[in-house]
Amino acid sequence: EVQMVESGGVLVQPGGSLRLSCATSGFTFSAFWMNWVRQAPGKGLEWVANINEDGSEKYFPDSVRGRFTISRDNAKSSVSLEMNSLTAEDTAVYYCVRGTTQPGMDVWGQGTTVTVSS
Amino acid sequence: QTVVTQEPSLTVSPGGTVTLTCASSTGAVTSGYFPSWFQQKPGQAPRTLIYSTINRFSWTPARFSGSLLGGKAALTLSGVQPEDEAEYYCLLYYGAAHLWVSGGGTKLTVL
Repeated sequence: EVQMVESGGVLVQPGGSLRLSCATSGFTFSAFWMNWVRQAPGKGLEWVANINEDGSEKYFPDSVRGRFTISRDNAKSSVSLEMNSLTAEDTAVYYCVRGTTQPGMDVWGQGTTVTVSS
Repeated sequence: QTVVTQEPSLTVSPGGTVTLTCASSTGAVTSGYFPSWFQQKPGQAPRTLIYSTINRFSWTPARFSGSLLGGKAALTLSGVQPEDEAEYYCLLYYGAAHLWVSGGGTKLTVL
């Protein structure tokens, strides 16, 4: 069974940093793009990062570019999201989502909650 | 800034048919935007129903179908079931900028 398990979400102060992790299983991790998508309370989905199979390509929307970085460890089948200079607008549930062979996303984790507040 | 627009809410009767749409502020949506559709029920993670415009997954009920309709991506539910009541999101890929942009979601009520 394909699984994604996110961790690392906590309460953090504005301006702080946080690292989220996603442990995966049930598939050949090194063959897939990986994504992070977030959802603020009561709001819609926002894609925040993706990374290609070998980690050589990484993309971000303007809202997080320069503050967030994504990395992967194919030996450990895991992907991480490093978040800096956090603001209240970064408060959200963060989901790890596997990419499809064509551009797209298929399997979602259950998410980890990040709260940015003083 | 690119905006993806969905109907905020729709209501359908059990057994009926409903079409949700997804429009791009940049112009007509084509297959090159690789439209995806997601279903989210309260308190749950989203679940992908459709990818690359028309493709279902093994877990996607056959009553869900994706298409392009009048310059928009579309998700049609035929023979709606009560358990289809949920929020539905579309996602479009803007390849030149390597960006994914989601619509604001459609709240589907089955009544």
